[in-house]
Amino acid sequence: GENVEQHPSTLSVQEGDSAVIKCTYSDSASNYFPWYKQELGKRPQLIIDIRSNVGEKKDQRIAVTLNKTAKHFSLHITETQPEDSAVYFCAASRGDMRFGAGTRLTVKP
Amino acid sequence: DTGVSQDPRHKITKRGQNVTFRCDPISEHNRLYWYRQTLGQGPEFLTYFQNEAQLEKSRLLSDRFSAERPKGSFSTLEIQRTEQGDSAMYLCASNLGGGGTEAFFGQGTRLTVV
Repeated sequence: GENVEQHPSTLSVQEGDSAVIKCTYSDSASNYFPWYKQELGKRPQLIIDIRSNVGEKKDQRIAVTLNKTAKHFSLHITETQPEDSAVYFCAASRGDMRFGAGTRLTVKP
Repeated sequence: DTGVSQDPRHKITKRGQNVTFRCDPISEHNRLYWYRQTLGQGPEFLTYFQNEAQLEKSRLLSDRFSAERPKGSFSTLEIQRTEQGDSAMYLCASNLGGGGTEAFFGQGTRLTVV
């Protein structure tokens, strides 16, 4: 099955700085790559996703890039705010949906 | 609430007992996933369904775990002869099949095996 690796496991930034989280996947058949945000005690919620026919997608302060050849994709958050503090998960799907281990992002005011 | 719902929210059971969890997906969603999540980890894939068909089951999953979706609507996850290592949050998610669509998660069932 698909194997998704995510780095870093923890990330601390100053408010206003950018944050980048990287993921790699193993199954070249994966064609959908969502990113989820999970706050403490809550369910994961989608923040952005990208399909394999697209290289980059942006939604306000959040962007995702995909390199199919290298089998890696990244989440970029610009102008970080304290409310961005949470755990972020990447996933890769070819029908099933496999998640990375998560990145705990802390944005310091 | 028309989102994904899971029942019960919490379950405490003694080691060796069987437990069953239920997930009701969003009504038009034909794909349903089960995950297990422990503290500080990502959701671990267990299995998923397209309508009533179970398309894949994690090779890491013990034979004590079984899931069904008999009518292509709600699903149940059963764990037989529970062990302390089964203690975790069990999450269900659903989306429109065909891939490439947002999966919505339920609030999960927290299992504690004592």
